[in-house]
Amino acid sequence: AQRVTQPEKLLSVFKGAPVELKCNYSYSGSPELFWYVQYSRQRLQLLLRHISRESIKGFTADLNKGETSFHLKKPFAQEEDSAMYYCALAQTSGSRLTFGEGTQLTVNP
Amino acid sequence: KAGVTQTPRYLIKTRGQQVTLSCSPISGHRSVSWYQQTPGQGLQFLFEYFSETQRNKGNFPGRFSGRQFSNSRSEMNVSTLELGDSALYLCASSLDWGYQPQHFGDGTRLSIL
Repeated sequence: AQRVTQPEKLLSVFKGAPVELKCNYSYSGSPELFWYVQYSRQRLQLLLRHISRESIKGFTADLNKGETSFHLKKPFAQEEDSAMYYCALAQTSGSRLTFGEGTQLTVNP
Repeated sequence: KAGVTQTPRYLIKTRGQQVTLSCSPISGHRSVSWYQQTPGQGLQFLFEYFSETQRNKGNFPGRFSGRQFSNSRSEMNVSTLELGDSALYLCASSLDWGYQPQHFGDGTRLSIL
């Protein structure tokens, strides 16, 4: 069965510092992975998907199949990055997503 | 385009009652999924509908059910409500079955007294 693990429930950094949100997965097939973000009082929205290999709001994420990881990184955190971040895995059948527990990121001034 | 719309935004019910939640997907989207979000369990998949048929189901009891209409709008129903059903219920739509990404609504906050 597929599983997504985000080991940090809370992460606090200072503005301008690098940030890395960890995500590990287990899945027998070829994974499709996403990062979703939920800002305060806003709906859950897509931040990144691994097949796009693009940078959104300065964030990047690389799929490492050997380590079964999909960590989210940003070199210089901003206060507006403070939010709840969810890593998610899509099944090959249907649109169903399996989510990690989420990491609450706080960027302090 | 309007986003995914869920109604109502808030609901208060008592144990034993039943409830129906509604979701209107983004125009042109044909796949609708439902998730339950709680502080303890996080985001858990309930079910997915496409072409008025349930295509996937999560690990929830039979008290949780849903349906999809020909215009892709979807409803989910919870019968014999329990205190543990208190949660934020999120609806997500995508263009087609198996298609990503999913677009989420604001959710319906259900409180059971």
